[in-house]
Amino acid sequence: SQKIEQNSEALNIQEGKTATLTCNYTNYSPAYLQWYRQDPGRGPVFLLLIRENEKEKRKERLKVTFDTTLKQSLFHITASQPADSATYLCALNTGGFKTIFGAGTRLFVKA
Amino acid sequence: SAVISQKPSRDICQRGTSLTIQCQVDSQVTMMFWYRQQPGQSLTLIATANQGSEATYESGFVIDKFPISRPNLTFSTLTVSNMSPEDSSIYLCSVVIREWADTQYFGPGTRLTVL
Repeated sequence: SQKIEQNSEALNIQEGKTATLTCNYTNYSPAYLQWYRQDPGRGPVFLLLIRENEKEKRKERLKVTFDTTLKQSLFHITASQPADSATYLCALNTGGFKTIFGAGTRLFVKA
Repeated sequence: SAVISQKPSRDICQRGTSLTIQCQVDSQVTMMFWYRQQPGQSLTLIATANQGSEATYESGFVIDKFPISRPNLTFSTLTVSNMSPEDSSIYLCSVVIREWADTQYFGPGTRLTVL
């Protein structure tokens, strides 16, 4: 079955730097892949969606890449701010509207 | 987007009891889902709530343990029955607004602790 691997170790970076988070999956390439942000005690919030025929997607300071050969997506936050500190979840569509989520990577941005 | 509310936001329950969680959306939605998120873990889909018919459960989840209702396009309930400490988790409602849209919108979650 499809599995998602996100770095379970927290990522600590300095304010202003670019944060890069990795999402690897194990089996077939999904029709699309999504990234969500989750703050403590809250539900996930949708950030970006990238389809299998897209290499890169941008939204303000966010950039997502999708490499179906490597079975990997990278999520970048440029000019990071302390307010970007949160857990970021990678999610894959597995058919229809079914989605599986990674465990997430915690990001800490230090001022 | 959609505004989703859940009640209760948190609860502490005794073993063997049941808790019903409500999910209310501010607009009609196509799909509603219930997820569980255990501490430090990913979200796990429990079931798809179908309007006017029985929910579609994922492997490992059964209707007797997690009965779900969806009487209309804006409301659903999830009941956690005969609770044990292993049921302690965050339960999340999510929706897809239109059939051709891919994005899920999540409620704030219900934090359940079973003693």
